[in-house]
Formats: sequence, C-alpha cells, structure tokens
Amino acid sequence: NAGVTQTPKFQVLKTGQSMTLQCAQDMNHEYMSWYRQDPGMGLRLIHYSVGAGITDQGEVPNGYNVSRSTTEDFPLRLLSAAPSQTSVYFCASSYRDAGELFFGEGSRLTVL
Amino acid sequence: GENVEQHPSTLSVQEGDSAVIKCTYSDSASNYFPWYKQELGKGPQLIIDIRSNVGEKKDQRIAVTLNKTAKHFSLHITETQPEDSAVYFCAAIRQTSYDKVIFGPGTSLSVIP
Repeated sequence: NAGVTQTPKFQVLKTGQSMTLQCAQDMNHEYMSWYRQDPGMGLRLIHYSVGAGITDQGEVPNGYNVSRSTTEDFPLRLLSAAPSQTSVYFCASSYRDAGELFFGEGSRLTVL
Repeated sequence: GENVEQHPSTLSVQEGDSAVIKCTYSDSASNYFPWYKQELGKGPQLIIDIRSNVGEKKDQRIAVTLNKTAKHFSLHITETQPEDSAVYFCAAIRQTSYDKVIFGPGTSLSVIP
C-alpha cells in the first residue's frame, strides 16, 4: 500500500497565486486532515474531514479551502497565497475512532 | 481535542541516559493519548499510545504513563540511542468524537553520542 501520498513535495508561489496541494490515501480511512508545521509552532490543524462530503475547520483555517468528494482524496486549496502561508504542510488520515493517524511525507511551500 | 501543553520544548541527553517528556491536557473527557515521533524531513509516526482505562504502557525502551486525576501523561525513553533524536508530539483526544486532533507543541530531543 502507498499509504498517504502528498503532491507536490516542493512548491514556490508568488503572492496572490493560487494552488492546490493534493492528498490521497488508499487505506479507506474515513478521517482526513491537513496540518501546517512552522518552526517552533508544532503541528497546527487547518481543516479536517470525517467522511466524504463532510469538512470542518481546525485551528488555523483562514486562507485555505478544502473539499472531500471521495473517501480517498482531500485536496487543500490556497486561493490567494500570502507569505504567511510559507510552511510545511502535512496530510494525515485515520479510521474514525481508531486512533492512529498516518501522515504523508509533507509538502514544503514557499510564498514569495 | 483541547489544548495540550508539552514540556520541555528541547531536551538533550547523553546516549544511554533516560529522557522524559510531559504533557498536560485540559479536556477531562479525553480518553486517548498518542505519542508521535518526527524525524528530520519526514511526517510524524505513531510510536506508542495509551487509553484512559490503563495507567501505563510499555514497548521495549519506551513507555507512557497516564495520570487522569492530574490530567497529565508522560513519555519515557530509556537507554537512549542517537536514532532517538527527533521531535516528539503528544495529543489528547476524545475518541467518541474523533474530530479535532490537536497536538502539543513538540519536544526536540537530541541524544549526544
């Protein structure tokens, strides 16, 4: 199994550009989530989903949109990138109520 | 999940010594407490977890203890090795409403050979 796959691994954007970070899992997990990781700030939850068609906000949702049209995919959209969104982004998935979160390898985003 | 505090933020130990990382939580309904290890350039991975119906769990050189009354739990690593150097995160979760999984701020552990 591939587990949780994130693309791209690296991306450089200019302020105001839009882009989508892709996340796919092949474990039939109901729960998926996006985190951002900044130096000294740990992992901060952006958005999460408990199943297809259901999404909700985490701690730091502003500037990001998500959708969950299928169980497998949970893309994160930046509509108008800002330098404050420079970060490493991690997607994670889990069976709902089962505990262990499986993380992707991360996507490093730089906004100039 | 609710707010989770984690201490220390950085920890250096000599190889072979023990390391202890402590977390406190605010939501008394939390009943699942995982610990994740993040190596440089990788995503976090679960290393051990504990549920609220037990007070301690061990897996080789790592152990986790839980004090529900005081609302804190700790990660213990014995006989530390250089490969234990990483960032460790804790979380406190209500598994009956598995939604916002909020992590502690992390502890950067360095094991000095």
